[in-house]
Amino acid sequence: DVKVTQSSRYLVKRTGEKVFLECVQDMDHENMFWYRQDPGLGLRLIYFSYDVKMKEKGDIPEGYSVSREKKERFSLILESASTNQTSMYLCASRTSGDFSYEQYFGPGTRLTVT
Amino acid sequence: SQKIEQNSEALNIQEGKTATLTCNYTNYSPAYLQWYRQDPGRGPVFLLLIRENEKEKRKERLKVTFDTTLKQSLFHITASQPADSATYLCAMGGGNKLTFGTGTQLKVEL
Repeated sequence: DVKVTQSSRYLVKRTGEKVFLECVQDMDHENMFWYRQDPGLGLRLIYFSYDVKMKEKGDIPEGYSVSREKKERFSLILESASTNQTSMYLCASRTSGDFSYEQYFGPGTRLTVT
Repeated sequence: SQKIEQNSEALNIQEGKTATLTCNYTNYSPAYLQWYRQDPGRGPVFLLLIRENEKEKRKERLKVTFDTTLKQSLFHITASQPADSATYLCAMGGGNKLTFGTGTQLKVEL
């Protein structure tokens, strides 16, 4: 079974702090994604990566950056956390090739910024 | 901009009945649609995919249809069970990104 793990289930940070969210997948997938999920807004893509050190902006990249130094690991960085970044953050991975392949999600990190 | 819509109101049905969830999209012609299930506090889990040239796809008690004229996908769960209670998300894609709907919550009552 594909396993996508995220470093924390719950996280509380203060405004202005730098926050790191980590995601690891064990299926040798080329593609990895970071989403945030908010009530009424659904899942929105922040960034994705299609290879090591490669990244592309999603629909809402402002205030975030990412890092992919190893194939299995994809990190989301909040440079200076703000209260409007309080959300559920979900990481996903997918194999390459046909773009229709399903995405495998981690359990999510619920981040609260106070 | 492209938009994908699901009924935000929860759907309550009785055990044994067929649940039908709707997904509508605008300003886009997706190459495929995917359906996911999400339980509270957990990540979505992939269920089914249907491509634009397919009218219908089945998997056990699940059935998905894709009508490119109506710009709509229907997701059916037959012989529904309380364990089917969850939020169901549809997602459309055409490149290397998926656009998700907000999901419809399904509650199956005894």
